[in-house]
Amino acid sequence: DTEVTQTPKHLVMGMTNKKSLKCEQHMGHRAMYWYKQKAKKPPELMFVYSYEKLSINESVPSRFSPECPNSSLLNLHLHALQPEDSALYLCASSQDGGGDTQYFGPGTRLTVL
Amino acid sequence: GENVEQHPSTLSVQEGDSAVIKCTYSDSASNYFPWYKQELGKGPQLIIDIRSNVGEKKDQRIAVTLNKTAKHFSLHITETQPEDSAVYFCAASSQYTGNQFYFGTGTSLTVIP
Repeated sequence: DTEVTQTPKHLVMGMTNKKSLKCEQHMGHRAMYWYKQKAKKPPELMFVYSYEKLSINESVPSRFSPECPNSSLLNLHLHALQPEDSALYLCASSQDGGGDTQYFGPGTRLTVL
Repeated sequence: GENVEQHPSTLSVQEGDSAVIKCTYSDSASNYFPWYKQELGKGPQLIIDIRSNVGEKKDQRIAVTLNKTAKHFSLHITETQPEDSAVYFCAASSQYTGNQFYFGTGTSLTVIP
């Protein structure tokens, strides 16, 4: 089973709202990722957690706040977003790191009004 | 850092014909090269991958070839079907880039029935 699940599938929020995206995997993977993807573009890496510790933060604005409560769960907390933050947010996981295969979830389509 | 270029950006083929997508990379330390297929509204799905100790890998109608000397790798799809229509992304990574994948810019493949 190579399934990564994400909730919600769609999210519409105002610029003053606070919301969270959730990601879950039960493959025993120890690395989890958040990506942002704009239309017709490749995924852009935002954050990487390795063994539940934040290992990469690609200079993402503080209005995005990641959290890894345990090895199976990954959250992305959103606050005071801008319309340009509207995108597909993808979660992925891999066995460990260093060139391991990454498996992606279906994504959350976020629209910021 | 690594730079991955992907060509062509769009590709149209008749059903039953073959499709070839090419990627080049810059970092000779890269040793893992996955290919992802992304259908509209879905997350990227791994379709095939290759490591640098192998020159070619096949899985039914899909094959990937790697030329380490020239630093390029290609995706070959034979006997294309309409359901092959999607955006395809190549990526490169190495143990030295940790968990980071470097993606190509994507190829939008259309298979005409």
